[in-house]
Amino acid sequence: DAGVTQSPTHLIKTRGQQVTLRCSPKSGHDTVSWYQQALGQGPQFIFQYYEEEERQRGNFPDRFSGHQFPNYSSELNVNALLLGDSALYLCASSFTRGLDTQYFGPGTRLTVL
Amino acid sequence: AQSVTQLGSHVSVSEGALVLLRCNYSSSVPPYLFWYVQYPNQGLQLLLKYTSAATLVKGINGFEAEFKKSETSFHLTKPSAHMSDAAEYFCAVSLISNFGNEKLTFGTGTRLTIIP
Repeated sequence: DAGVTQSPTHLIKTRGQQVTLRCSPKSGHDTVSWYQQALGQGPQFIFQYYEEEERQRGNFPDRFSGHQFPNYSSELNVNALLLGDSALYLCASSFTRGLDTQYFGPGTRLTVL
Repeated sequence: AQSVTQLGSHVSVSEGALVLLRCNYSSSVPPYLFWYVQYPNQGLQLLLKYTSAATLVKGINGFEAEFKKSETSFHLTKPSAHMSDAAEYFCAVSLISNFGNEKLTFGTGTRLTIIP
């Protein structure tokens, strides 16, 4: 049973560019959450998707947007990249109708130059 | 709003010694509490979780944590440290609503170093 997968593993962009990160949830999971982990910090919640809609959102600007597809996979898009967007981006999946845990993928390391 | 505070950004223990990582939480309603471990260049792995059942929770790799409401604490312990325990540990809190799993709010982490 495959766990949560993310692609790509590493990414280098320049300021002002746009980036798309991808996540495939664990089998049987229908909810995807995204977190940003800056160096030396704990993960910060960006948003959560369920039934192809954004259900919760953390304190992140509109430059951060997402999408969930019918197969429950998800994308995170960041526009107009800033140096401060450099971080590890973690995807977590869970099953909504239960007291289930959020299971994390290995993350995508984004470096903005 | 809920939050967690992890006391001690760095903890060093000798191999075979007791591991104690501290976490205090703040929540307006009964919380769900988690400990995750992160090895270098990897994602987060769940160690254990408290979901309002038994207050002493046992997890993987010999770790356990005790929920103490009066102290608003959820400290992580392991009787005997192993070299493979060296990693970053995160305490997290969440709420479970009609939506199911709410967002996780993490502490700033504790880096555990094991001294041979």
